[in-house]
Amino acid sequence: KNEVEQSPQNLTAQEGEFITINCSYSVGISALHWLQQHPGGGIVSLFMLSSGKKKHGRLIATINIQEKHSSLHITASHPRDSAVYICAVGGNQFYFGTGTSLTVIP
Amino acid sequence: NAGVTQTPKFRILKIGQSMTLQCTQDMNHNYMYWYRQDPGMGLKLIYYSVGAGITDKGEVPNGYNVSRSTTEDFPLRLELAAPSQTSVYFCASSYLTSGHYEQYFGPGTRLTVT
Repeated sequence: KNEVEQSPQNLTAQEGEFITINCSYSVGISALHWLQQHPGGGIVSLFMLSSGKKKHGRLIATINIQEKHSSLHITASHPRDSAVYICAVGGNQFYFGTGTSLTVIP
Repeated sequence: NAGVTQTPKFRILKIGQSMTLQCTQDMNHNYMYWYRQDPGMGLKLIYYSVGAGITDKGEVPNGYNVSRSTTEDFPLRLELAAPSQTSVYFCASSYLTSGHYEQYFGPGTRLTVT
């Protein structure tokens, strides 16, 4: 069993749709990270959170520490949001989910 | 700052050859990591370092070696390359901020062993 489980694995949406990606984890953590990996492979950090909710533009991340669950929401999705979204948890070492591949169709 | 840089971007190796993947960061981060990413799998930790002169094994260290002689550099050595080492390799560095570790990733090295 993986320490970090993400769902769905693949997601196709129409432009403008509201998108939710879920992450559940089984290990103790000091923080949870949402990462974005574009075709071509580069990985960037979107959010680091340990409680509550954070918002950057159209992206919202929430975490429930008691339930060991986090969600990443994208409002008004756009084709440029097409990427793999990866959940990672840990402290000075990280465990990674397998990623959710999102395709937004114009 | 250039952030985390990796070289080469791509490499094809024959079975049994050796090579070193280079990683450098200019952010004065203490923690550095090497991961591999295989299709359909999450990133797996190969080795990590908490500072110059200190390294430790991660989840999948077999077939690899590392060194950390300076804060900036964390090279990954593959000895006797095997097809199972075909993967994309990411170097990352992190620092402690507000009680949490923020990670920065390099652009990756795509390695094929044939």
